[in-house]
Amino acid sequence: NAGVTQTPKFRILKIGQSMTLQCAQDMNHNYMYWYRQDPGMGLKLIYYSVGAGITDKGEVPNGYNVSRSTTEDFPLRLELAAPSQTSVYFCASSYSIATGDGNQPQHFGDGTRLSIL
Amino acid sequence: AQKVTQAQTEISVVEKEDVTLDCVYETRDTTYYLFWYKQPPSGELVFLIRRNSFDEQNEISGRYSWNFQKSTSSFNFTITASQVVDSAVYFCALSVRGPGGSYIPTFGRGTSLIVHP
Repeated sequence: NAGVTQTPKFRILKIGQSMTLQCAQDMNHNYMYWYRQDPGMGLKLIYYSVGAGITDKGEVPNGYNVSRSTTEDFPLRLELAAPSQTSVYFCASSYSIATGDGNQPQHFGDGTRLSIL
Repeated sequence: AQKVTQAQTEISVVEKEDVTLDCVYETRDTTYYLFWYKQPPSGELVFLIRRNSFDEQNEISGRYSWNFQKSTSSFNFTITASQVVDSAVYFCALSVRGPGGSYIPTFGRGTSLIVHP
């Protein structure tokens, strides 16, 4: 079972460069999320998606963009990398429905450690 | 707005001690979900338990137990007879439905548990 797959695992960028963090899940989950984790700060939600073609901002969306063209993939784009974006990035997915006991737990990828110098 | 407070930044215990990790949440919603996740030193995030707001039943799973009290807005986690392998950062999370009907999670800052042999 692959679950949630993130690539790359590590990356060093120069200020001003751009890159895309890839995330794919094979569990047919409708929800997908991107978080950043800074030391001692927990997980901050960057963007999330409730289904293909639907994305929305989380708590810290500035400097990032996302798209969700398929159920499986949810890439995160950094357009102009800044030192403040040095962090560990986690992608997650879950299955949630509007009725009943609907909000299931998240499954996380292994993370991408990104350094911007 | 939703908020999760994990007031204990770091806890250090000796093996076989019992330890309780506190989680206090804030929300005006009557329907919400609470989660605990474990992040071992290897970095991945692992789901431990989920509770919805209508189920105040406490739960025990081996050495782990959870105490959910709506009256005090708390969802505390106890590890009995701690082991070195329990050393990790533990996150409490709250999920409520946002204005658009989507479930939006909020994480606490985490509690780092160090179990000494």
